[in-house]
Amino acid sequence: AQKVTQAQTEISVVEKEDVTLDCVYETRDTTYYLFWYKQPPSGELVFLIRRNSFDEQNEISGRYSWNFQKSTSSFNFTITASQVVDSAVYFCALSEPWNSGNTPLVFGKGTRLSVIA
Amino acid sequence: DAGVTQSPTHLIKTRGQQVTLRCSPKSGHDTVSWYQQALGQGPQFIFQYYEEEERQRGNFPDRFSGHQFPNYSSELNVNALLLGDSALYLCASSLIPGQGYEQFFGPGTRLTVL
Repeated sequence: AQKVTQAQTEISVVEKEDVTLDCVYETRDTTYYLFWYKQPPSGELVFLIRRNSFDEQNEISGRYSWNFQKSTSSFNFTITASQVVDSAVYFCALSEPWNSGNTPLVFGKGTRLSVIA
Repeated sequence: DAGVTQSPTHLIKTRGQQVTLRCSPKSGHDTVSWYQQALGQGPQFIFQYYEEEERQRGNFPDRFSGHQFPNYSSELNVNALLLGDSALYLCASSLIPGQGYEQFFGPGTRLTVL
C-alpha cells in the first residue's frame, strides 16, 4: 500500500531563514514517482517538482532544493532564505505505474508553512 | 494557454440535495481526475476519467458519480449530500498514457453542506 507521511503539521519561520519540510513515503513498487505541490490560500495546487525512483540526484531550483534518499524513503524539501510569499501548505505525493498510466496521487496531510516578516 | 478551470467557485447546499461540479481540463489534456480535500487534510482521490470512461476509483460511495464529455471536460455529481461532503473539490488534468505524468490542478469548488 502507498502512504505518505508529513510529520510536521505546522512550521513557522522568520523571513530569510532556511526551512526543511520532511516527507517519508511507503511503497512496494521499485518504480514510483514523488511530487511536491504548493497550496496557497487561493486553494489551487501548484506543481513544484516530480522525481522518479531511479533518479536520486538532488535538485535545486532557485531557492528550492529537494533531497531524495531511497535508503530512508524520504523526499525532503528545503527553502533557502524564505520569503513571506512562501507561506502556504505544502504537500508531498506519491504515484506508481498502473496499466498504461499511473495510480492516482496519494498525498500526505501537508505542512503549513508560515513565514513571518 | 488556459489552465484547468472549475465551476462554480463556491456552492452551498443542504443535506439530501444533489450537486454537480464542472471541470475543463488544460488544453491538450485528455484525462481528468477528481479529488476531495477536507479541511486540514490532503486531497483524496475520487475517480479518474479517460476516453469518457471511469478508469480508476478511490474509496468513495456510489453517491459520487462522474462523466466525461467528448471535449474532455468532466462533471462530478454527488447525490444525497451529507454534512461530511463539505470540502474543497479539486479537478486535475493530465495526459495518458504517460509514466509519472504531472497533474495540473484547478482552483477547486468549495462545497458547503448545511
